[in-house]
Amino acid sequence: KQEVTQIPAALSVPEGENLVLNCSFTDSAIYNLQWFRQDPGKGLTSLLLIQSSQREQTSGRLNASLDKSSGRSTLYIAASQPGDSATYLCAVNLYDYKLSFGAGTTVTVRA
Amino acid sequence: NAGVTQTPKFRILKIGQSMTLQCAQDMNHNYMYWYRQDPGMGLKLIYYSVGAGITDKGEVPNGYNVSRSTTEDFPLRLELAAPSQTSVYFCASSGTDGGNIQYFGAGTRLSVL
Repeated sequence: KQEVTQIPAALSVPEGENLVLNCSFTDSAIYNLQWFRQDPGKGLTSLLLIQSSQREQTSGRLNASLDKSSGRSTLYIAASQPGDSATYLCAVNLYDYKLSFGAGTTVTVRA
Repeated sequence: NAGVTQTPKFRILKIGQSMTLQCAQDMNHNYMYWYRQDPGMGLKLIYYSVGAGITDKGEVPNGYNVSRSTTEDFPLRLELAAPSQTSVYFCASSGTDGGNIQYFGAGTRLSVL
């Protein structure tokens, strides 16, 4: 059974600081890994998807890396802004189109 | 473009009541999913469907039922509601390309008292 862990559970940083969010998973036979953003009372929005054959994926200020052999992914958010405050969830996709989610990291960016 | 639409947004049930959570998507996606999210926890898969007429259990299916008569709709039925079913329910859909990027509805917040 795939277990997905995200540490830390919460993070508070001043505006402008870079954010580093960690995700670890137990089964390295994954199809891909996705990072989602969740705002309070809202649904999830897909941020980045990394295929199992890729090492990293970038979108604007966001960069996600994947190390399948060690079962880790890291989401970097450069030059954080108050609008980046949200919960970020990592989800691992096995080859059956089902996602296993971590519990998320709640980020607060202080102005 | 509406994406994934869930109704209702909020609901309070009494123990033993039943209800149906509605989910509709307009992206012609084959795959649809129901998740529940408890406070401080990740999402857990309840049921999923790979196409009209085909459904299967996820990680936490007990106390729930689903049907998929059309590509667009995937309702979730709660029979004999229990306090343990108090949660936020999310519906999602995905296509068969793009690596299974899942698109989520805004959620239904359910309390069973």
